[in-house]
Amino acid sequence: GAGVSQSPSNKVTEKGKDVELRCDPISGHTALYWYRQSLGQGLEFLIYFQGNSAPDKSGLPSDRFSAERTGGSVSTLTIQRTQQEDSAVYLCASSPERAADTQYFGPGTRLTVL
Amino acid sequence: AQSVTQLDSHVSVSEGTPVLLRCNYSSSYSPSLFWYVQHPNKGLQLLLKYTSAATLVKGINGFEAEFKKSETSFHLTKPSAHMSDAAEYFCVVSDRQSNYQLIWGAGTKLIIKP
Repeated sequence: GAGVSQSPSNKVTEKGKDVELRCDPISGHTALYWYRQSLGQGLEFLIYFQGNSAPDKSGLPSDRFSAERTGGSVSTLTIQRTQQEDSAVYLCASSPERAADTQYFGPGTRLTVL
Repeated sequence: AQSVTQLDSHVSVSEGTPVLLRCNYSSSYSPSLFWYVQHPNKGLQLLLKYTSAATLVKGINGFEAEFKKSETSFHLTKPSAHMSDAAEYFCVVSDRQSNYQLIWGAGTKLIIKP
């Protein structure tokens, strides 16, 4: 079956512009996660959605970052007024349920802020 | 607080020789532990996971890991390295305290010499 998909695969933007990154989770998965991976680093948790519950935003690095999940499926991560330090690969993952642990990752979006 | 330490940022082995990637963790609760692999320009893939069953866990591609509570370790091994094993490997911990979020190590780059 289809895995987690993300778009675009690459995004180059200018400092100060807003960007939107999209994630399509595996159908039926109720949990959705966003992570950021900077060059040579492990993954940094950003935000987590579980069903209709309020999202866990504890990992968002600043108020320039926000995310939404419509209809319990597709999610969009928005970064406003991008900065060069936002350059990274943004990864989305989904899992069948919150405590199921095993997360299935998308290929990521490589964001470059010039 | 939970944490994961991957003791080596790079490991280089010759093809056909054993692989050892070291991981130590800290967790106040019964943890779940994972190893993920990331091949160049590919998404993250789950290699194996430990969730309080057998302490020796077998994964894909001939990898296995042993959970040693007394040493708080979860080292990844493979008897004989193959060129296709060249990738970045991440050790990950998750437990109730982290609300089952994944806490990631910084990664170990495995280099295979012909």
